[in-house]
Amino acid sequence: GQQLNQSPQSMFIQEGEDVSMNCTSSSIFNTWLWYKQEPGEGPVLLIALYKAGELTSNGRLTAQFGITRKDSFLNISASIPSDVGIYFCAGFTGTASKLTFGTGTRLQVTL
Amino acid sequence: SQTIHQWPATLVQPVGSPLSLECTVEGTSNPNLYWYRQAAGRGLQLLFYSVGIGQISSEVPQNLSASRPQDRQFILSSKKLLLSDSGFYLCAWSGAVGEAFFGQGTRLTVV
Repeated sequence: GQQLNQSPQSMFIQEGEDVSMNCTSSSIFNTWLWYKQEPGEGPVLLIALYKAGELTSNGRLTAQFGITRKDSFLNISASIPSDVGIYFCAGFTGTASKLTFGTGTRLQVTL
Repeated sequence: SQTIHQWPATLVQPVGSPLSLECTVEGTSNPNLYWYRQAAGRGLQLLFYSVGIGQISSEVPQNLSASRPQDRQFILSSKKLLLSDSGFYLCAWSGAVGEAFFGQGTRLTVV
């Protein structure tokens, strides 16, 4: 089946630093999505990308849909303590309506 | 606006007992529906997804089954729970382009 490899697995950064994480796939997707999950809750959608090459921002977050449609990255600028959580990428295959998640990046922000 | 309801929030069940988790969506029609399981500190494993009433795709052979008796209702079941069925179960819905929205999750502990 499809696999999404997400890196890094975890990050420990200082407040104010920029963060970058990425996702790669063995197959192409029609839509790339980025989510954040906090303990005990369901993931919350941050950014959705629909076209190869698309670059989209949501406040301090910026994500891009890779040209090959097999990868995506998420950048967080000027991190703050409330950015702490687990970030997941997800790829959607339109023909099968299947949504597959990456392995997650755990972000810790220190003051 | 669309909402997704998932219950119960927590559940403690003995080994060998049956399971039924229910998820309902409001405010949309013909959604794609998903069940995921998340082990502690791990990623989201896709268990089942459905593109319509009675249409279920299974991703992982296991002790669980899913049903979609109505357009906006998705049920996860087991006849006999195993210890390994413990985890955080998440229901989600998406539209045609893949943006998925999650319920609050059910934490299942099999004892």
